[in-house]
Amino acid sequence: QKEVEQNSGPLSVPEGAIASLNCTYSDRGSQSFFWYRQYSGKSPELIMSIYSNGDKEDGRFTAQLNKASQYVSLLIRDSQPSDSATYLCAAPSRAGSYQLTFGKGTKLSVIP
Amino acid sequence: KAGVTQTPRYLIKTRGQQVTLSCSPISGHRSVSWYQQTPGQGLQFLFEYFSETQRNKGNFPGRFSGRQFSNSRSEMNVSTLELGDSALYLCASNVGPGGVNSPLHFGNGTRLTVT
Repeated sequence: QKEVEQNSGPLSVPEGAIASLNCTYSDRGSQSFFWYRQYSGKSPELIMSIYSNGDKEDGRFTAQLNKASQYVSLLIRDSQPSDSATYLCAAPSRAGSYQLTFGKGTKLSVIP
Repeated sequence: KAGVTQTPRYLIKTRGQQVTLSCSPISGHRSVSWYQQTPGQGLQFLFEYFSETQRNKGNFPGRFSGRQFSNSRSEMNVSTLELGDSALYLCASNVGPGGVNSPLHFGNGTRLTVT
């Protein structure tokens, strides 16, 4: 059974700081990873996907993948109160499947 | 392009009843998946459909069932409702073959409350 683990938080950062969210996974064969943001009472919204080792940047968001260490991270630069949400890390449950295994999410609070 | 549409948004049912939830995927998306989200368990996979065929099924009892139609729309049914079935039910669509690494796009969900 593939597992995706996240620190549940809450993680509190001051406005303007860098928020760092981490995720570890059990299956060395996992090839793709996704970060979703979920506001309270809303559905998950995709914010980043990453498939290769290294960094991928999109605006204030940077996803980092280290396959050797089996971790994925999401950095949010210049954090804003609107970034306050639960961030979910996900990976395909099996090769060739669209089924995703999700971590339980890290709740981020950005303090004005 | 319209997103994933789920209906209804909210449902209140009584124990023992059954419920049917509906999902229309993004136009052109042929794969539909269903997830249950609860505060304690997080997002848990229910089923995955492609071309009217169930490809994968999660670890849920047989009371949970689903189907997909030729236009890729999907329904899920829960029979003999239990209090523990109260949850947010999320539908997600994906482009289909050739897009295994493409992400899921979620609908707004159906909030089911069982009393």
